[in-house]
Amino acid sequence: AQKITQTQPGMFVQEKEAVTLDCTYDTSDQSYGLFWYKQPSSGEMIFLIYQGSYDEQNATEGRYSLNFQKARKSANLVISASQLGDSAMYFCAMREGMNYGQNFVFGPGTRLSVLP
Amino acid sequence: DTAVSQTPKYLVTQMGNDKSIKCEQNLGHDTMYWYKQDSKKFLKIMFSYNNKELIINETVPNRFSPKSPDKAHLNLHINSLELGDSAVYFCASSDSFPPQGKPQHFGDGTRLSIL
Repeated sequence: AQKITQTQPGMFVQEKEAVTLDCTYDTSDQSYGLFWYKQPSSGEMIFLIYQGSYDEQNATEGRYSLNFQKARKSANLVISASQLGDSAMYFCAMREGMNYGQNFVFGPGTRLSVLP
Repeated sequence: DTAVSQTPKYLVTQMGNDKSIKCEQNLGHDTMYWYKQDSKKFLKIMFSYNNKELIINETVPNRFSPKSPDKAHLNLHINSLELGDSAVYFCASSDSFPPQGKPQHFGDGTRLSIL
């Protein structure tokens, strides 16, 4: 079964508008971390934002915020005031448990295109 | 001040050859990883090493052999390359403890093309 689901293979947004990229996850662990990464067309993977399962506040980093709904097991990424440079693939990832042996599991990604 | 560096960036070779990809991190992390990203951009973990010890070994053909001479290096050797090995290979590193808030830092990827 998929541990990370990103249901939007592609999204379009107008420049300067906000956009939400969906991510749902599946885990039976109480302790886990959720991450979002950006992969522009140049190929590198850029860490954007992190949310811990015990964090009560939604994480924010500049124009990025994470809408964390634990009961729904969702961790949606919200990008405010979209810029052309935000056009990229976005990956949601999860790290489970406290065991250092646990790996990161990535979702299939969402391709975001920002329109001028 | 590169954090995770992998070489080469591009690798074009013929089927049946043996090749290596090198990875080094200067972040002081104790865990390193190899991922394969296919043409549909799906990222799949291949191996994970913690302090030179193999931690994760996903279902990967034994033609792929990782080697970690020290915790700052994790190299990937591939024998008898096949067409299906064409992909982008990413090296990454992270701190293992506490694991929750520590993201992985990625290298720029090695694009492997098999002719």
